[in-house]
Amino acid sequence: EVQLVQSGAEVRKPGESLKISCKGSGYTFTNYWIAWVRQMPGKGLEWMGIIYPGDSDTTYSPSFRGQVTISADKSISTAYLQWSSLKASDTAMYYCARGDCARCKLDPWGQGTPVTVSS
Amino acid sequence: QSALTQPASVSGSPGQSITISCTGTSSDIGGNNYVSWYQQHPGKAPKVMIYDVSNRPSGVSNRFSGSKSGNTASLTISGLQAEDEADYYCSSVTSSDTVIFGGGTKLTVV
Repeated sequence: EVQLVQSGAEVRKPGESLKISCKGSGYTFTNYWIAWVRQMPGKGLEWMGIIYPGDSDTTYSPSFRGQVTISADKSISTAYLQWSSLKASDTAMYYCARGDCARCKLDPWGQGTPVTVSS
Repeated sequence: QSALTQPASVSGSPGQSITISCTGTSSDIGGNNYVSWYQQHPGKAPKVMIYDVSNRPSGVSNRFSGSKSGNTASLTISGLQAEDEADYYCSSVTSSDTVIFGGGTKLTVV
């Protein structure tokens, strides 16, 4: 069974750094893309960016470029989303999802990682 | 990049059909056939229901169908069931090779 399992809930203070993870299983990790999607409380989905773990080719949404870093470690089939200095406005649920290609449907999705940034 | 435009809410009775629209521009919906629709139940991760405008993934009911005309895509759900009550999001690839989502539509089955 193809699965994406994300790391657990995080609580941080403004200005702190954070790295959350998304581990793929049940398929060849390096042959598919992994996208990250933000969902702020009570709001809609926002596409943040996508990475191809095979060669780390990465594309960011203009809204998120420079705000986050997407990376992957193919040796452990894991993709990451990281912040160097969190803001309260980063409080959200973050999902990872697999794509057959950079433009393809996202399926399946991880269970989500809730991030709370509060002083 | 502005979000694709969806109605905030739609409603229908069991057994009826409803259609959710998703309007973009020639730089996204109108410029390619990479339009997808996702269903999200409260507290759950999204699930793809339609991809590449009108294709259904294995396991998705044939009550769900998709189409596109110009800069507007549509999701139609026929034979509404209580379990269809959820939020629905459209998405499209853009001319910059990024992806943009719609604002979401809350479907209520009354």
